[in-house]
Order: sequence, then C-alpha cells, then structure tokens
Amino acid sequence: DTGVSQDPRHKITKRGQNVTFRCDPISEHNRLYWYRQTLGQGPEFLTYFQNEAQLEKSRLLSDRFSAERPKGSFSTLEIQRTEQGDSAMYLCASSSPPPGSGANVLTFGAGSRLTVL
Amino acid sequence: GNSVTQMEGPVTLSEEAFLTINCTYTATGYPSLFWYVQYPGEGLQLLLKATKADDKGSNKGFEATYRKETTSFHLEKGSVQVSDSAVYFCALLFSGTYKYIFGTGTRLKVLA
Repeated sequence: DTGVSQDPRHKITKRGQNVTFRCDPISEHNRLYWYRQTLGQGPEFLTYFQNEAQLEKSRLLSDRFSAERPKGSFSTLEIQRTEQGDSAMYLCASSSPPPGSGANVLTFGAGSRLTVL
Repeated sequence: GNSVTQMEGPVTLSEEAFLTINCTYTATGYPSLFWYVQYPGEGLQLLLKATKADDKGSNKGFEATYRKETTSFHLEKGSVQVSDSAVYFCALLFSGTYKYIFGTGTRLKVLA
C-alpha cells in the first residue's frame, strides 16, 4: 500500500473557475476526511465519510464546496466558482475504526495546494 | 471552546541540542493528545500519542507526557538530528469522535 494519494499536488486557477481534487485512501480504511490548511495554521476539519456516507460537514464548507465518495473508496472535493480566499492546502486523511476505546489515528496524504489568482 | 496552543516557530537548534516544543490545550473533558509531524513534501504522520492523564507517549526519541494539572503535552527530545527538521503539530481528539483540533504547528530547523 502506498499510503494516501492526492491529485493534483498543486493547482493554479483563476477566480471563478471550478476545481476538483481527488483522494485515494488506504484501501482497507473505511473512514475518509478532508481538512484545509492555510498558511501558518493547523489543519481544520472540513468533512468526514464513513464508507460512502458523508456524516459531517463543517460550517467552513460553503455551498460552493461539495465532496463525494461514491463507492466508498476514492473521494473528490470540488470547489465551484473559486475565490482567492479558497487558496489553501487541502488535505485528505483516512483511518480505520480504532480497536476498543483506542484513539482514531489518521494517515494523511501530502495534500493538494490550491492557488486562486 | 476546545483549542490547542503551540509555541511559535521557527525553532532553530544545532544538532544534538535538547528540544522542547510547548503545547497547551483547552478542553471540556479529557481528550486524547497527539503530536503529528510533517516532513517537507510529505503528509502529516503520527509521531506519538497519549490517551489519558500521566500517560507518556514516545517514538523515535521524542517524548511527551499528558499533564492534566497544567493542561499541557510538551514535546521533548534529548538530542535532535538534522533529519528531525519538520513541522510539528499538537492536536487533541475526544474519545469516540473523529474531528481533530490541531495547533498552528511549530517549524523546527536543525543545523549541522
């Protein structure tokens, strides 16, 4: 297993364009997360999938953002009508349910950096 | 609300120096505490964790002790190497949940 893969690694777009990021999690992980990281900040939670079901969306996700995980494997995050404030690193992570009351440890991808001009 | 505060970086040390990166948290309850590390060009990866008060997490020579009385989880290493240069994130997570709260990260630069 090569870990969590994200594509593209860097996207430069003009304001108003749509962009889509893809995440391929670790194959045996049924949980998938999207986080956003802006310069000088830690990752902030965006959304969470368990298998194909999107169980939570952060208030950070405006209506221009949509995430899917159609077959419970890979996931896409689409941003419509991009704005300069959307410029950030978009991180995908995956995990499997922790044993017993163990902590939920995430495996992150390297991220997709979005620059909106 | 729940939050994590880390010391600002960058922290610049010479090889073999002692490292401390401070982390304090505010939480309603007793979360698990984590240190994640991000090496250049890579994703965040778990460095160590502690799930209850007085637990010590350790890995690769790094240690951190969950101190409930001071709400802290400071990261330490006795002798840093150039290869430890990275960004270190302190984080908390409540049991049975999946939404991490991360600190802002502390960049460590180790000079040969």
